[in-house]
Amino acid sequence: AQSVAQPEDQVNVAEGNPLTVKCTYSVSGNPYLFWYVQYPNRGLQFLLKYITGDNLVKGSYGFEAEFNKSQTSFHLKKPSALVSDSALYFCAVRGIGNDMRFGAGTRLTVKP
Amino acid sequence: EAQVTQNPRYLITVTGKKLTVTCSQNMNHEYMSWYRQDPGLGLRQIYYSMNVEVTDKGDVPEGYKVSRKEKRNFPLILESPSPNQTSLYFCASSFSSGSNQPQHFGDGTRLSIL
Repeated sequence: AQSVAQPEDQVNVAEGNPLTVKCTYSVSGNPYLFWYVQYPNRGLQFLLKYITGDNLVKGSYGFEAEFNKSQTSFHLKKPSALVSDSALYFCAVRGIGNDMRFGAGTRLTVKP
Repeated sequence: EAQVTQNPRYLITVTGKKLTVTCSQNMNHEYMSWYRQDPGLGLRQIYYSMNVEVTDKGDVPEGYKVSRKEKRNFPLILESPSPNQTSLYFCASSFSSGSNQPQHFGDGTRLSIL
């Protein structure tokens, strides 16, 4: 069965600095990987996905993610963080079946 | 506007009193799913449906029921709610049952079972 781990509960960065939110996965077969963001009192919003092809995936709001098959990782990155990026971020994996597994979430705080 | 709508947004009720949380999407999506979100555990899938009259258990189906009689609606039923079902619930949908489709989420329903 597939699983996802987000090793950091919290990530703090200063505005303008690069940010990384980490995700590792375990899945049989080819992984379908996703990043979602959750703002207070809202549902999750899709940021980006990896299905196949280029290991660097670009998504919404300037975010990108790097797929690394040998390290089974799919880390979320942004070159220059904004205060408005502060939110809860979830990594998710969907395997051959149609069920979906989410990580526990990482709270990103960007300080001015 | 394309959206997933859940009702109610907030509910406080008592143990054993049957309740239904409704979910409706206006995007003609085939795939719909219910999740619960608990601190430190992320989202856990309760049930999902790949199309009308087709439903499957997720990771935590115990104590819940669902039905998919129409494509747009996917209600979550708690026949006899218990305090351990106090949680934040999300409904989601995607265009098809294909594994590469991102999901659209409702804004959540916060349930408190006393």
